[in-house]
Amino acid sequence: AQSVTQPDIHITVSEGASLELRCNYSYGATPYLFWYVQSPGQGLQLLLKYFSGDTLVQGIKGFEAEFKRSQSSFNLRKPSVHWSDAAEYFCAVGSSGGSYIPTFGRGTSLIVHP
Amino acid sequence: DGGITQSPKYLFRKEGQNVTLSCEQNLNHDAMYWYRQDPGQGLRLIYYSQIVNDFQKGDIAEGYSVSREKKESFPLTVTSAQKNPTAFYLCASRGLALGDTQYFGPGTRLTVL
Repeated sequence: AQSVTQPDIHITVSEGASLELRCNYSYGATPYLFWYVQSPGQGLQLLLKYFSGDTLVQGIKGFEAEFKRSQSSFNLRKPSVHWSDAAEYFCAVGSSGGSYIPTFGRGTSLIVHP
Repeated sequence: DGGITQSPKYLFRKEGQNVTLSCEQNLNHDAMYWYRQDPGQGLRLIYYSQIVNDFQKGDIAEGYSVSREKKESFPLTVTSAQKNPTAFYLCASRGLALGDTQYFGPGTRLTVL
C-alpha cells in the first residue's frame, strides 16, 4: 500500500529565510509525486509534480522539489519565503493511471514571521 | 472560466437530516472525487467516479452516498448515518490522460448542530 509521511506538523520561518518541507513516501513502483498548497478555507492548488525525468522539479510561486529515490523523499524547497506563503502544504503520492487514487500526507502548516 | 464549483460554501444542518453537497466542473474531466478534510488528518477519500453512472467507495464511504448522472456533476449526500459529519468537504476532478492531475474545488464547510 502506498503512504506518505510529512514529519513536521508545523514549521515556523522568518520572512526571507529559506524553507524546506519534508515528505517521505512508500510506494511499490515508480511513484508519481505531488505538492499542493491550501490557504485557510480554500481548496488545494497544485504547486508541482514529478512523473519522470529530471529529479529536480520546478513549480509555481518559486517552489522546487527534489525526488530522491534512495531516500524515498520528495522535499519541497523555496530559497526565500514571503509572508503570503503561509498556508498548509500537502505532499501526495499516486500511480500514473488505472484508478489514480493519490494518497495525501497529513499536511505541514507553514507559519511565516515578519 | 473553466473550473470546479462547490456550493454552498458554508452549510448548517440539524443532526439527523440528510444534506447534499454540490460539485460541478466544466473542465470536461472524466474522473471526479470527494474528500473529507479534518484538522490534522489530511484528505481522506469518500467516493470517486471515473465514468458516468459508475462510482466506487473510498476509504471512508460509510454514511455517504453519491450519484454520477452527468459527466459534469458529482453530488455528495451526507446521510444521518454518518456519525460525525461536521468537516470540510473537497471535490476534485481529473482527466484520464497520462500525466493529468487533480483539480480541486473551493470546498464546502458542513456544520451539523
